[in-house]
Amino acid sequence: ELKVEQNPLFLSMQEGKNYTIYCNYSTTSDRLYWYRQDPGKSLESLFVLLSNGAVKQEGRLMASLDTKARLSTLHITAAVHDLSATYFCAVDSDSNYQLIWGAGTKLIIKP
Amino acid sequence: DARVTQTPRHKVTEMGQEVTMRCQPILGHNTVFWYRQTMMQGLELLAYFRNRAPLDDSGMPKDRFSAEMPDATLATLKIQPSEPRDSAVYFCASGFNQPQHFGDGTRLSIL
Repeated sequence: ELKVEQNPLFLSMQEGKNYTIYCNYSTTSDRLYWYRQDPGKSLESLFVLLSNGAVKQEGRLMASLDTKARLSTLHITAAVHDLSATYFCAVDSDSNYQLIWGAGTKLIIKP
Repeated sequence: DARVTQTPRHKVTEMGQEVTMRCQPILGHNTVFWYRQTMMQGLELLAYFRNRAPLDDSGMPKDRFSAEMPDATLATLKIQPSEPRDSAVYFCASGFNQPQHFGDGTRLSIL
């Protein structure tokens, strides 16, 4: 059974600090996605990582993928309050089109 | 920007009533997903369609839930009869391969 595990599940941090969210998965999939969800809102696609070694950056967020280790990281640099949200990673389930989702990491950034 | 449109945005009804939620996927997207999100269970896949054909509805309680896609511009999710435990946010997402694009959701409360 394909599993996707995120850690931590909850993270409270101060503005200006750096931190990393980890996403481990149990299959050989080489396609991984990061989404953001603000409270009471929908899920928004952040990054699409399609191959080993892929790295994508948007502002203070950087995502990377290591398919050999079956690990993706979402790194936050010099966090700001606006980045407070829940972040989900999801992995392609091989051939049947659906994504397998992590439980989400709730990130709170305090001023 | 093209968006997935869901109606209604909010629905409050009494136990035992029929509930119908609608979704208009992004034009050209050939895969449509229905998810349910609750605090306790997180994000759950209920059913999905590819080129309007149902591929998997194993996440749905079959006795009360049904999902259909009568044409390429409309997907529906019905609950009959509804129960308080069905209270949740229901998301529709569409995609052509990945990533999935999410609608704003239907916030359902069953009294």
